[in-house]
Amino acid sequence: DAGVTQSPTHLIKTRGQQVTLRCSPKSGHDTVSWYQQALGQGPQFIFQYYEEEERQRGNFPDRFSGHQFPNYSSELNVNALLLGDSALYLCASSKRQGWSDTQYFGPGTRLTVL
Amino acid sequence: GQQLNQSPQSMFIQEGEDVSMNCTSSSIFNTWLWYKQDPGEGPVLLIALYKAGELTSNGRLTAQFGITRKDSFLNISASIPSDVGIYFCAGGSNDYKLSFGAGTTVTVRA
Repeated sequence: DAGVTQSPTHLIKTRGQQVTLRCSPKSGHDTVSWYQQALGQGPQFIFQYYEEEERQRGNFPDRFSGHQFPNYSSELNVNALLLGDSALYLCASSKRQGWSDTQYFGPGTRLTVL
Repeated sequence: GQQLNQSPQSMFIQEGEDVSMNCTSSSIFNTWLWYKQDPGEGPVLLIALYKAGELTSNGRLTAQFGITRKDSFLNISASIPSDVGIYFCAGGSNDYKLSFGAGTTVTVRA
């Protein structure tokens, strides 16, 4: 049973560029959430996708956008990269049922913006 | 977003010791989750709690969902060297997004 997978593992970009990160959820899961984790901090919620739509969004600018595909995989896009976007980007998947939401995380993508 | 206060910020353990950490919030949560994160990796789910007052164990780990729904604690009994890492609490509510604490860093005492 494959867990949550993310690609790429590491990425280096320069300011102003655009980046796309990818996530495949755990088998049987239909919901994907994205988090940003700065060094020394806890993960911060970016947004969540369910049924191919953005359902919830955290306090992040419109430069952060996403997509969910029919097979439940997801992409996170960040435009006009800033130095402050350097972080570990985590994808978490879950099975939406009732109001509980137990999320399982992937290994993350380390983004460095120079 | 909602603020979770996790304490202590860091702790040193000696093999065989019992350790405890907790998380408090000004907001009510429906779910409390505890994760462990090793350097360069994603958080790994340790324990999930779904009801106020619930006490759940996973091996040497025990966690409780506070009766007010605003707090949770995690205990590790008989600690071993591989318990080092960063432990995060996370609260979930009806909006399906998790709010995380800042983490408790556990290090082995020399």
